[in-house]
Amino acid sequence: QVQLVESGGGVVQPGGSLRLSCAASGFNFSKYDIHWVRQAPGKGLEWVAFIRYDGGTKYYADSVEGRFTISRDNSKNTLYLQMNSLRTEDTAVFYCAKVAIKTMAIRPGSYSYYYFMDVWGMGTTVTVSS
Amino acid sequence: DIQMTQSPSSLSASIGDRVTITCRASQSISNYLNWYQQKPGKAPKVLIYAASSLQSGVPSRFSGSGSGTNFILTINNLQPEDFATYYCQQSYSTPLTFGGGTKVEIK
Repeated sequence: QVQLVESGGGVVQPGGSLRLSCAASGFNFSKYDIHWVRQAPGKGLEWVAFIRYDGGTKYYADSVEGRFTISRDNSKNTLYLQMNSLRTEDTAVFYCAKVAIKTMAIRPGSYSYYYFMDVWGMGTTVTVSS
Repeated sequence: DIQMTQSPSSLSASIGDRVTITCRASQSISNYLNWYQQKPGKAPKVLIYAASSLQSGVPSRFSGSGSGTNFILTINNLQPEDFATYYCQQSYSTPLTFGGGTKVEIK
C-alpha cells in the first residue's frame, strides 16, 4: 500500500545536526511533490519545507530557512531533511507528507488545481536539548 | 504570510450532535482550503480539500463550506471516532499555513 516511513530522529544538543529520511513505497515516488511538516509537543501543525517531484523547486518556512535543506533521491524513493544549527524550538515530531493534486473545471476550458497532503508518515521525533 | 485562525480552540459535544468549526484567513484564499483530522499520537488525515470536496473514503457526515476568508467544517451526527483535533490549512500560497486547531472532546 501507499506508505511513507520517516527515520533519523533523536536527541541532539543545540547547534547540532541531524538528517531525517522519509522512505516511500507503493506509489511512483518520482512523480509526486512532498512536504515536511512538524508538530512541537502539545502544539499545532507547522509546515517546514516543500520539494517538487523532480527536486527542481524547494520552499522553506522562514523559521528554518538557511538551516534546513530538503532533498530527494528518486532512485532510492527517499526524501531527506538535513537539519543544521538546531535550536531547542526545533523540538518536534517531523512528518513527511505526499501531495495530491485535484483538477476542477471552474468554467468551460478553464481549470483550477487544488493541492493537499493525502498520505502522511507516522513521524519521527527530534529533541533538541542540552 | 497568510494567517489562519480557527474557532473555537476546543469544544465539548455528545454523540449524535452537529458540530461546526470555523476557520478564517487573513486574506482571501478563494477556496484553497483543506481540513485535516488528527488523533492523539497519529498523523493528520485529510478530510476536505478545495473547501468543500470530500476526500475519498471520508464519511459523508463531514462537510465543508466557505470561500474567500471564511470557512466552516461541519460534522453531522458526531460519532465516537470523530473525537480528535481538526486543522484547517490554506494551499493558496507558500508558506503553507495551518490554523491553530480545534479539539473536539466528549461531553
